[in-house]
Amino acid sequence: AQSVSQHNHHVILSEAASLELGCNYSYGGTVNLFWYVQYPGQHLQLLLKYFSGDPLVKGIKGFEAEFIKSKFSFNLRKPSVQWSDTAEYFCAATNFGNEKLTFGTGTRLTIIP
Amino acid sequence: GAGVSQTPSNKVTEKGKYVELRCDPISGHTALYWYRQSLGQGPEFLIYFQGTGAADDSGLPNDRFFAVRPEGSVSTLKIQRTERGDSAVYLCASSPGSSTDIQYFGAGTRLSVL
Repeated sequence: AQSVSQHNHHVILSEAASLELGCNYSYGGTVNLFWYVQYPGQHLQLLLKYFSGDPLVKGIKGFEAEFIKSKFSFNLRKPSVQWSDTAEYFCAATNFGNEKLTFGTGTRLTIIP
Repeated sequence: GAGVSQTPSNKVTEKGKYVELRCDPISGHTALYWYRQSLGQGPEFLIYFQGTGAADDSGLPNDRFFAVRPEGSVSTLKIQRTERGDSAVYLCASSPGSSTDIQYFGAGTRLSVL
């Protein structure tokens, strides 16, 4: 069955620390990968996406993610976090041509000023 | 409107009652999705419309759940004989309709079944 795993449930960092959130997927065929963010009291918003091409994708607010096919991974990174990055982060995937998203359980990120 | 609109934002009902949740997608978006997010979990797919028809309803948990989109715009998710386990946030998303489009999410309806 198709699945997405996020092993970090809650991450606490100080401002200016580097961030890496793990995401692994189990999908056959061509996969599309996404990171969504949900800031407190707000709706889900897209951070970045990978469909094809350069496996290193850059998104909004200085976030990037790397698609490593051999590891079935799509980890999210940011070199220096800010207090405003406090939010819940969801990794998601679809098969090409099948648009329903499968989400991971999410990672709650808390940034300490 | 500028984004996906969901009403009501909160709904409290009693076990056994019928509820309807409404989603107003971004204008011009042909694809519409319903997801359910339980506490501590990521959103789970329920049903996907392309235009007026349900292209994939494989995520609906049982026959108490039903959704319609009669004119290809607004959609209503209907839950009959609600159970306490139906308590969750119900999310709606829309997209322009191709397989490379991203989904834009609404703020959700928080359903509480007492």
